[in-house]
Amino acid sequence: EVQLLESGGGLAQPGGSLRLSCAASGFTFSSYAMSWVRQAPGKGLEWVSGISGSGGSTYYADSVKGRFTISRDNSKNTLYLQMNSLRAEDTAVYYCAKEEVVAATFGYFDYWGQGTLVTVSS
Amino acid sequence: EIVLTQSPGTLSLSPGERATLSCRASQSVSGNFLAWYQQKPGQAPRLLIYGASSRAAGIPDRFSGSGSGTDFTLTISRLEPEDFAVYYCQQYGSSPRTFGQGTKLEIK
Repeated sequence: EVQLLESGGGLAQPGGSLRLSCAASGFTFSSYAMSWVRQAPGKGLEWVSGISGSGGSTYYADSVKGRFTISRDNSKNTLYLQMNSLRAEDTAVYYCAKEEVVAATFGYFDYWGQGTLVTVSS
Repeated sequence: EIVLTQSPGTLSLSPGERATLSCRASQSVSGNFLAWYQQKPGQAPRLLIYGASSRAAGIPDRFSGSGSGTDFTLTISRLEPEDFAVYYCQQYGSSPRTFGQGTKLEIK
């Protein structure tokens, strides 16, 4: 059974930093691209960042480029999101999601974690 | 960036009725790489449909997807009480991957 468990959310001040983690199990982690998707309170879904299975390719939404860094440790089956220079508009539930790539360059999201809440406020 | 516009914003129907949800793209979705997700309050999204019309594992056959190019549809043939939720479309044919703003399916 695929399981994704996020951690690391909490309260951060504007301009501060947080590091999110996502522990994966139930599949061969290194074989799959992974992404972070966020959802601001009462709002829709926004893709934030993605990373290839090897970690060699990374992708970012314009809204976080230069501030967030996605990475993975395939030996620990863990995905990370380092968030710097946080802004109030980064307040959201952050989900990690496993990607499935079928005849495409990018994947859809077939499994999701339960999410971790990040609140940016002074 | 491809903008996805879902309609209607809210759909009020009764159990047993048929639901038709629309997703329109600002430009053609490459390969018809479009997915649909269901989200219930306090829960993570769940994949329903990928490739515009392929049902994900374990999804009941009352859910079906159709469409191509810029116009896509999610149909729920006969609504069950557990189907009332928010539904999102998402394109994965180009970067950045984008979601529609969602359609809330509520009980009438």
